[in-house]
Amino acid sequence: DQQVKQNSPSLSVQEGRISILNCDYTNSMFDYFLWYKKYPAEGPTFLISISSIKDKNEDGRFTVFLNKSAKHLSLHIVPSQPGDSAVYFCAGGGGSNYKLTFGKGTLLTVNP
Amino acid sequence: SQTIHQWPATLVQPVGSPLSLECTVEGTSNPNLYWYRQAAGRGLQLLFYSVGIGQISSEVPQNLSASRPQDRQFILSSKKLLLSDSGFYLCACEGWPSYEQYFGPGTRLTVT
Repeated sequence: DQQVKQNSPSLSVQEGRISILNCDYTNSMFDYFLWYKKYPAEGPTFLISISSIKDKNEDGRFTVFLNKSAKHLSLHIVPSQPGDSAVYFCAGGGGSNYKLTFGKGTLLTVNP
Repeated sequence: SQTIHQWPATLVQPVGSPLSLECTVEGTSNPNLYWYRQAAGRGLQLLFYSVGIGQISSEVPQNLSASRPQDRQFILSSKKLLLSDSGFYLCACEGWPSYEQYFGPGTRLTVT
């Protein structure tokens, strides 16, 4: 059962434009959601998170939106930069355990 | 903030050989620790997690095992490697008091 789904394996955008990465989940027990960025051969880096009681969280160029009724979240990157090119993972967590459940990732390519 | 060390960075092992990957954490005490694997083209799969010394929870049945002999040391082992054990192994530590997980640099394991 894939509780966190990132249905787009890849996304390509032009430098300076907006990148929108999407994530769907099925587990209503998630208390929080996180986005990670990963370069090849490196560990993921935490980007931004959002609590399930909020619908938006912003940090610089990164904004995460949560639509609980649709069980959908998205990460907006504005403006996109070539250095943003990486694999982005969304994850959900919470409830009575200590685990995060990750999606399979979306490869973002920002073209100069 | 936490610093996570993993070694070795890369490893090539023949099928049937043993494995020992080590993870150590600095900058925190009594952390929740995690082992993940990222197989080629796949997402992050949680293998084991530990909430304290000697406490290990396994997420998937396989020929891998984990141990936590000290508070900030987490070891991933196998007695006999399979080809399917190839992948990128990541150790993570839960941030405190927040819930984000922070990842080490990873170990690239190739089983030949």
